[in-house]
Amino acid sequence: DVVMTQSPLSLPVTLGQPASISCRSNQSLVHSDGNTYLNWFQQRPGQSPRRLIYKVSNRDSGVPDRFSGSGSGTDFTLKISRVEAEDVGVYYCMQATHWPPPTFGGGTKVEIK
Amino acid sequence: EVQLVESGGGLVKPGGSLRLSCATSGFTFSNAWMNWVRQAPGKGLEWVGRIKSKTDGGTTDYAAPVKGRFTISRDDSKNTLYLQMNSLKIEDTAVYYCADLPYGSGSLWGQGTLVTVSS
Repeated sequence: DVVMTQSPLSLPVTLGQPASISCRSNQSLVHSDGNTYLNWFQQRPGQSPRRLIYKVSNRDSGVPDRFSGSGSGTDFTLKISRVEAEDVGVYYCMQATHWPPPTFGGGTKVEIK
Repeated sequence: EVQLVESGGGLVKPGGSLRLSCATSGFTFSNAWMNWVRQAPGKGLEWVGRIKSKTDGGTTDYAAPVKGRFTISRDDSKNTLYLQMNSLKIEDTAVYYCADLPYGSGSLWGQGTLVTVSS
């Protein structure tokens, strides 16, 4: 199985400041069809997960443009350009290139300083 | 409005069985490859298994920890997904979510149902 490693574990951020979360895989996530199936999910406290980003950098419908995804191969990043109070929660990366199984990172908890 | 509503969770003894349901509406369920994802208390997300659409063969895949014990099925006439869980273990205690995890846009998740395995 592909191992997904996120850092940091916890990310205290000042409102209005940027935040960055790293996600690394132990093998390339480039699929044989040329796509890279790397997703980012947000889970607010007490809520179900919600996908923010698919295929590395594509925002799902309704996701604010302050969220952006980037990266390639084995190294990926989720950035929040200016953190708002509603962004508090746990963020997970998930690879869907090598399926089954799809695998999640361990999560990064974003909190306000 | 798109809805995925899980039900069937509860308290069960080790070795027991439980059947979860996920009733859906507002999207074309029959075309969706549906998943179950679980989250143990205070822990991260873990994929449980998937069933493809009948058009794509209706086949299933499972995570290693549940293979041989859990069975995913679907009833497209009722727009409902199921998870039959047998030989339950304490480590199966989790909130179970049904989810559509397409390669493209439009991922959908339910609100989850809690399964507690305890003597």
